[in-house]
Amino acid sequence: EDQVTQSPEALRLQEGESSSLNCSYTVSGLRGLFWYRQDPGKGPEFLFTLYSAGEEKEKERLKATLTKKESFLHITAPKPEDSATYLCAGRHRNQFYFGTGTSLTVIP
Amino acid sequence: GAVVSQHPSRVICKSGTSVKIECRSLDFQATTMFWYRQFPKQSLMLMATSNEGSKATYEQGVEKDKFLINHASLTLSTLTVTSAHPEDSSFYICSAMPGTGAWTGELFFGEGSRLTVL
Repeated sequence: EDQVTQSPEALRLQEGESSSLNCSYTVSGLRGLFWYRQDPGKGPEFLFTLYSAGEEKEKERLKATLTKKESFLHITAPKPEDSATYLCAGRHRNQFYFGTGTSLTVIP
Repeated sequence: GAVVSQHPSRVICKSGTSVKIECRSLDFQATTMFWYRQFPKQSLMLMATSNEGSKATYEQGVEKDKFLINHASLTLSTLTVTSAHPEDSSFYICSAMPGTGAWTGELFFGEGSRLTVL
């Protein structure tokens, strides 16, 4: 069964305390692993797409990596404005399988 | 990234009325659009996949006659909640996938629409 699992469900960090969010997937014929940021009451904002194991992408304090079984979203020296829910999704053909998200809170 | 616009962002209606939500891709053509529903503190629940010029494909358990989806052009899809009831109150989000160009195969979301049925 195709599915995506994210952990932890919630994460509280002190400002400046780096950490990683995990996204494990069992999606056959994966055609992309997507990361999104979602603020309360808003639609998800596109962050990255990774297509092959070993690929890495960066944007400001965020870096996404991909292996054959999971993806990590590394957050370096987070700031309070990084607080949000981070969603990952695996794509198989035209179907997207979303995880339940990690709610990140960065405390000043 | 590409831009998807969703309107209205908030709507309040009386029970029994119908509400239409629009989803537009502003800078690309979208052959495929998706409609999701999201409950508080939960992930996205796919309702239906909409392909331009053809009937939408609904997920199991989603009532086709209640949630009417029309994808009349390559830049516009609409979701109409018919005879809305309080249990239809939710956050509805559309997404679109560019068929050509630099963002081909990526998935972009609208801002979401908060529906409250009184």
